[in-house]
Amino acid sequence: DAGITQSPRYKITETGRQVTLMCHQTWSHSYMFWYRQDLGHGLRLIYYSAAADITDKGEVPDGYVVSRSKTENFPLTLESATRSQTSVYFCASSISDYNEQFFGPGTRLTVL
Amino acid sequence: SQQGEEDPQALSIQEGENATMNCSYKTSINNLQWYRQNSGRGLVHLILIRSNEREKHSGRLRVTLDTSKKSSSLLITASRAADTASYFCAASGYSTLTFGKGTMLLVSP
Repeated sequence: DAGITQSPRYKITETGRQVTLMCHQTWSHSYMFWYRQDLGHGLRLIYYSAAADITDKGEVPDGYVVSRSKTENFPLTLESATRSQTSVYFCASSISDYNEQFFGPGTRLTVL
Repeated sequence: SQQGEEDPQALSIQEGENATMNCSYKTSINNLQWYRQNSGRGLVHLILIRSNEREKHSGRLRVTLDTSKKSSSLLITASRAADTASYFCAASGYSTLTFGKGTMLLVSP
């Protein structure tokens, strides 16, 4: 199926555990992005990637790790989850860093 | 930061009325974009206006941009219940987009 998908859609984990959120896009877009959405904060950029093997920090990168070995995948890892990382996470892709972005359906993560 | 800030935070109108949302940003931009988010869903791109444009239309949407005031507005004409959603502006400088906190629009039948 064409588009951008995220998995899992819902995840409950415990403090200290490692969690990986997956993002896959079929458009061969160069750019991919990870955001978190929290009440009162809107969308905040965590990390982004301009191409395979090129990643850069966004506004709130602490506690997160990303990789991009293939153009279509951009996983986000929480190495040791904390309660403050409870949020809805959105992945997006685009042909550039300033054009329209296409968003995935989101992953709702709860850290207990 | 060139963060967009939407105003009002929430807006409640009747079907058929027009809805106007405003956005302010802080620094020079390449373009400004508007997105819609239905409850529990990802954001959907609505319209992009470049810094050298003053007004743009798309169906029932009208966007204006005033770079001297660093502000933009989104007008939805003849609103429908299906327009109920959160609307975000996103400012694009010469780097990544910066999103505002959004306006929640409720359109009642």
